[in-house]
Amino acid sequence: GQNIDQPTEMTATEGAIVQINCTYQTSGFNGLFWYQQHAGEAPTFLSYNVLDGLEEKGRFSSFLSRSKGYSYLLLKELQMKDSASYLCAVLNSGGYQKVTFGTGTKLQVIP
Amino acid sequence: EPEVTQTPSHQVTQMGQEVILRCVPISNHLYFYWYRQILGQKVEFLVSFYNNEISEKSEIFDDQFSVERPDGSNFTLKIRSTKLEDSAMYFCASSGGSGSYNEQFFGPGTRLTVL
Repeated sequence: GQNIDQPTEMTATEGAIVQINCTYQTSGFNGLFWYQQHAGEAPTFLSYNVLDGLEEKGRFSSFLSRSKGYSYLLLKELQMKDSASYLCAVLNSGGYQKVTFGTGTKLQVIP
Repeated sequence: EPEVTQTPSHQVTQMGQEVILRCVPISNHLYFYWYRQILGQKVEFLVSFYNNEISEKSEIFDDQFSVERPDGSNFTLKIRSTKLEDSAMYFCASSGGSGSYNEQFFGPGTRLTVL
C-alpha cells in the first residue's frame, strides 16, 4: 500500500527558515517530488529527488533518505508569497509514472 | 515557456450527463496524466497514458471514465454519467520531455461541478 505523512499545517515568520517533513511507505519507489500549491491553483514543481542527499535550488532545498523513507523541504528567507500548501509525492517504480500525493502541508507565513 | 493547457476552466453539468475535459500537453512530452482534487482534499491519481494506451490507472478510474488522444495534440478525459461525487478540480499533467524526464507539468485545471 501507499502511505505518505506530512504535517497538516505550519506557521513561520517572514525571513525565517522552515522545514517541512515527509515520511513515506510505498510499495515501489522511483523518486520523490515536492510541489507547491496555492489555493485554487494547480501544483507547481519544486524538486525531484531520487538519490539520497540534499538538492539545493535557490531558497528551496530538498533532502531524501531512502533507507528511512524520509524527505524534507527546506525553505529559507521566507516571503509572504510562500504561504501555500506543500505537497510531498512519491513516484512509484515500474516505469508507469504513477504518482501518489500526500495530503499536503499548509504553510502560513506571518510578518 | 511551454505549458499544459486545459479547457474549459469551469464546467457545470447535471448528474447523469456526459462530460469531456480537454487538455493540450506540452508538445514533446511522452506521458500524460489525469488527476483530480476534491475541494479541501489531496490530489489523487486517476490515470497515466503512454504510447497511445493507458499505462496505469487507479481504483477511482472505473468504467465511467475513459481517456483518449484523438490527434497529435489533445488528450481528453470523458466521464460517461456524472455523479455528484465527481465534483472536483481535474488536472491534466505531462512529462517525459528533455531535461528533467520525471518532472510532471500540471495544467491550470478544470473545475467540474455536478448538480
